[in-house]
Amino acid sequence: DIVMTQSPDSLAVSLGERATINCKSSQSVLHISINKSYVAWYQQKPGQPPKLLITWASTRKFGVPDRFSGSESGTDFTLTISSLQAEDVAVYYCQQYYNRTFGQGTKVEIK
Amino acid sequence: QVQLQQSGPGLVKPSQTLSLTCAISGDSVSSSSAAWNWIRQSPSRGLEWLGRTYYRSKWYNDYAVSLKSRITINPDTSKNQFSLQLNSVTPEDTAVYYCARDISNLLDYWGQGTLVTVSS
Repeated sequence: DIVMTQSPDSLAVSLGERATINCKSSQSVLHISINKSYVAWYQQKPGQPPKLLITWASTRKFGVPDRFSGSESGTDFTLTISSLQAEDVAVYYCQQYYNRTFGQGTKVEIK
Repeated sequence: QVQLQQSGPGLVKPSQTLSLTCAISGDSVSSSSAAWNWIRQSPSRGLEWLGRTYYRSKWYNDYAVSLKSRITINPDTSKNQFSLQLNSVTPEDTAVYYCARDISNLLDYWGQGTLVTVSS
């Protein structure tokens, strides 16, 4: 199985500040023909199912605010919230959807 | 707008069978572009994909290797829904179970979740 390892497990960020979440895959999940990786990011708020935010490591789903962005470098992936809002408090998960394993989650809170 | 409505018992005894159903509205279980998944979430295991069913001229199933001997996912075209059966459950199977649609392996619509506790 491909293992997705997220860091940190939790972080506290002041409103309006940047939040950065990292995710590393145990092997390449690159789709060679489009040069993008099979990596998605989900947001989960308490009592709700996960919500898909980003696909192909960096493509925001329609309707997702542009303060959310994703990037990749080899087997390292990053989700950035450029200016944290109160409604962004949640747990964030990366997932490789080549064969569907998730990271362990990163809890984002307000400092 | 796709909606997935889960139903099923919240308490199952050890060694028995966990059964859940996911009713689909806004799409078809027989869709040639979607697949219909079960995922569970627990503090010890995190988010764990369990399996899926999909129709591409015939029906297919994919299951997590770790559960292959215990899991069955079936479509029900007459009711536009699909089901999960997990046999021989233990307390380790206690989790919130979700159904979800995937398009090209991306889980874009989810059910509301069902907490299933395995306990005598």
